[in-house]
Amino acid sequence: DTEVTQTPKHLVMGMTNKKSLKCEQHMGHRAMYWYKQKAKKPPELMFVYSYEKLSINESVPSRFSPECPNSSLLNLHLHALQPEDSALYLCASGTGPNTEAFFGQGTRLTVV
Amino acid sequence: GESVGLHLPTLSVQEGDNSIINCAYSNSASDYFIWYKQESGKGPQFIIDIRSNMDKRQGQRVTVLLNKTVKHLSLQIAATQPGDSAVYFCAESGMDSSYKLIFGSGTRLLVRP
Repeated sequence: DTEVTQTPKHLVMGMTNKKSLKCEQHMGHRAMYWYKQKAKKPPELMFVYSYEKLSINESVPSRFSPECPNSSLLNLHLHALQPEDSALYLCASGTGPNTEAFFGQGTRLTVV
Repeated sequence: GESVGLHLPTLSVQEGDNSIINCAYSNSASDYFIWYKQESGKGPQFIIDIRSNMDKRQGQRVTVLLNKTVKHLSLQIAATQPGDSAVYFCAESGMDSSYKLIFGSGTRLLVRP
């Protein structure tokens, strides 16, 4: 299995809702990433987990809360989002520093 | 030709021609570089990578060139095909031996039939 699987593919949520994005990989990768991508822009790094521990938080607002329950799963919990948080959220995994990251197809999030 | 403005820079090429996509990276300490291809509605897909101890690397129909002196990276695609139409991003890593992979601004490649 060489895929990174993200669910759901699309999500519409209100500003008072709580939702979660899920990511799964079975490649034995020990690094997992969350990126945010706005239209016509490059992906922006949000969080990195290394060996199930949060190693990088790029000053992301606390309304985004990552979680790594085990080495195969990565979640992003969302609460009290703003319309400007609408974007494509990409999950990726990799074998370590200075190696390629494999990306999922993303979750298209719309906050209304 | 190439255009820069409020939208993504766009490179338009004739099918069968060679394409060259350029990227300027920011950190002289970066020692690992990747080119990704992103098609509409999909996640970035790995194309080719290069480490800072090399200045050229070739794959199938693609070549990456690295010029550390001017912090410049380029992706050459030979015999460009309609399926190559996508947005291309360079990414850099290794600034501090962390897992940080930072993307540069993209270039949209349009292949004219």
